[in-house]
Amino acid sequence: LAKTTQPISMDSYEGQEVNITCSHNNIATNDYITWYQQFPSQGPRFIIQGYKTKVTNEVASLFIPADRKSSTLSLPRVSLSDTAVYYCLVGDVDSSYKLIFGSGTRLLVRP
Amino acid sequence: EAGVAQSPRYKIIEKRQSVAFWCNPISGHATLYWYQQILGQGPKLLIQFQNNGVVDDSQLPKDRFSAERLKGVDSTLKIQPAKLEDSAVYLCASSFSLGGANVLTFGAGSRLTVL
Repeated sequence: LAKTTQPISMDSYEGQEVNITCSHNNIATNDYITWYQQFPSQGPRFIIQGYKTKVTNEVASLFIPADRKSSTLSLPRVSLSDTAVYYCLVGDVDSSYKLIFGSGTRLLVRP
Repeated sequence: EAGVAQSPRYKIIEKRQSVAFWCNPISGHATLYWYQQILGQGPKLLIQFQNNGVVDDSQLPKDRFSAERLKGVDSTLKIQPAKLEDSAVYLCASSFSLGGANVLTFGAGSRLTVL
């Protein structure tokens, strides 16, 4: 069962770039890496997904090294509204495709 | 596109009472998930359906929790009898199909307080 490890919390300031790294040493060949964002009193929301190398969309970038044992979510120029919990998920095709959430990373963006 | 609908948003009950939560997934999404999220923790998968069949319910406390998705569309999660430790947000999510490449869309959740 693929398992992910992320920092418990991070602090940043408005306008800075934030990089959150997730370790998934046991990732399987068919697994994708997906990041979700969760605000208080809301369900998690999809941010970005990738399999290898780099993926970029309008809100974030995802960097995945060749060995795929880790991934880094990059949030450019964060604002106060980016304060949230960020979860890294690895799809586990060997376990009924269960998508297991870890504890996530609590990002606090200060003015 | 309409999102995942859940009701009720909030429920307060006494321990040993029963409660039911309802979820209507995004139209066309074959896979439906129920997660339990205790304050300060990540969501914990309770049960996963593919159409009207159960794919995984290994984390569902079957002595008190039950869930069904009879017609392969909406779903109900029931707790009977409730315990204090069941106080949590119950999140429903859906995805187009199985597989790690699928993106989950979550509802806003149903917050349960057991007194």
